[in-house]
Amino acid sequence: GDSVTQMEGPVTLSEEAFLTINCTYTATGYPSLFWYVQYPGEGLQLLLKATKADDKGSNKGFEATYRKETTSFHLEKGSVQVSDSAVYFCALSSGGSYIPTFGRGTSLIVHP
Amino acid sequence: DSGVTQTPKHLITATGQRVTLRCSPRSGDLSVYWYQQSLDQGLQFLIQYYNGEERAKGNILERFSAQQFPDLHSELNLSSLELGDSALYFCASSVVGTGANTGELFFGEGSRLTVL
Repeated sequence: GDSVTQMEGPVTLSEEAFLTINCTYTATGYPSLFWYVQYPGEGLQLLLKATKADDKGSNKGFEATYRKETTSFHLEKGSVQVSDSAVYFCALSSGGSYIPTFGRGTSLIVHP
Repeated sequence: DSGVTQTPKHLITATGQRVTLRCSPRSGDLSVYWYQQSLDQGLQFLIQYYNGEERAKGNILERFSAQQFPDLHSELNLSSLELGDSALYFCASSVVGTGANTGELFFGEGSRLTVL
């Protein structure tokens, strides 16, 4: 079945540091890929998405590129802020079921 | 604000009891999903409804049930509660069925259930 593997956290960075959160997936066919973010005390919200190979999703300074050859969708940001502290979830949906499969989430803590 | 409303936000109850969690999807969304989030299991899909009909089932226990009403709101019923049922329960909605959907879900803020 479909699965998503994310790097374990927490990831702790200083403000303005470069961020990478790794995500790899296993799926049949050609899934759509997502990054969701969960701020403290809130529900998940979509951060960015990519629906086909080599697409780059971007939003709020975050980027991720759909790499079919390595089955990866790593999240990057060039300069993190304290306000980026949250839990980040990689997810995929495939096969027409429209039920995303989520990774376990990676907690990001950014210090001033 | 995602447009998805969940009530109650917090709930404390005892083992063996029954609770009902309520969800109102975004305006126009026909599909509702329920997820359970716990520290040890991560985000687990429980069940999906589309326009009043059950569409897909995930890791939902037999003690749990759900339904979607004609006005599209949904309820998740949890019975014979155990300590291990303590978790954050999320409802999400989407526009499944229009052809425009690519799996994006809109989540509510969750209902935190504590079983003592």
